[in-house]
Amino acid sequence: QSALTQPPSASGSRGQSVTISCTGTSSDIGGYDYVSWYQQHPGKAPKLMIYEINKRPSGVPDRFSGSRSGNTASLTVSGLQAEDEADYYCSSYAGSNSLLFGGGTKLTVL
Amino acid sequence: QVQLQQWGAGLLKPSETLSLTCAVYDGSFSNYFWNWIRQSPGKGLEWIGEINHNGRTNYNPSLTSRVTISVDTSKNQFSLNLNSVTAADTAVYYCARGGDTPMILTYWGQGTLVTVSS
Repeated sequence: QSALTQPPSASGSRGQSVTISCTGTSSDIGGYDYVSWYQQHPGKAPKLMIYEINKRPSGVPDRFSGSRSGNTASLTVSGLQAEDEADYYCSSYAGSNSLLFGGGTKLTVL
Repeated sequence: QVQLQQWGAGLLKPSETLSLTCAVYDGSFSNYFWNWIRQSPGKGLEWIGEINHNGRTNYNPSLTSRVTISVDTSKNQFSLNLNSVTAADTAVYYCARGGDTPMILTYWGQGTLVTVSS
């Protein structure tokens, strides 16, 4: 099992939209609907932002949305705000009751 | 309000065993899987494994030979043991609760930095 592939960095201006990709294989992202996204601010524990590809937990702003095409999942943050600056990690069920994470993307809000 | 509070030794020597415990408050202990995740300094997240209240476990294939996760339902606690540690096991270790759907992590502990150094 290899980690899912994310770009190391992404950026966007306040009010704009940014999309972060997460590429896997047909054995993980492409094979199951259990794709999630986590937000992590420095020194803090991660926070669940998206699960099952495009569902938001209660309390997560609808500016955050998820999608999938083939073996690539994406997180889109619309109307960027300063507090969105953080690291973002994707994860996917990888079969055999195991979980894979991506390497993380550092989002900078300009 | 679900809370996870974790503790354990923060400094180990190579070849020793890492031991951490996570206590769950108001977390519906019987209804979920309970997970351990780690994050090496400046690096990404790595899932270690999970356990449910019946003791059913699932482990990361890359760590399964060294990992044991156990549960104490009388105390609403679960624990991680990782043996034969090396410097590569230096990381912040988190405990986390699963969700109503498989393989999501809904509530997290505060994290424990474990350093392996001779």
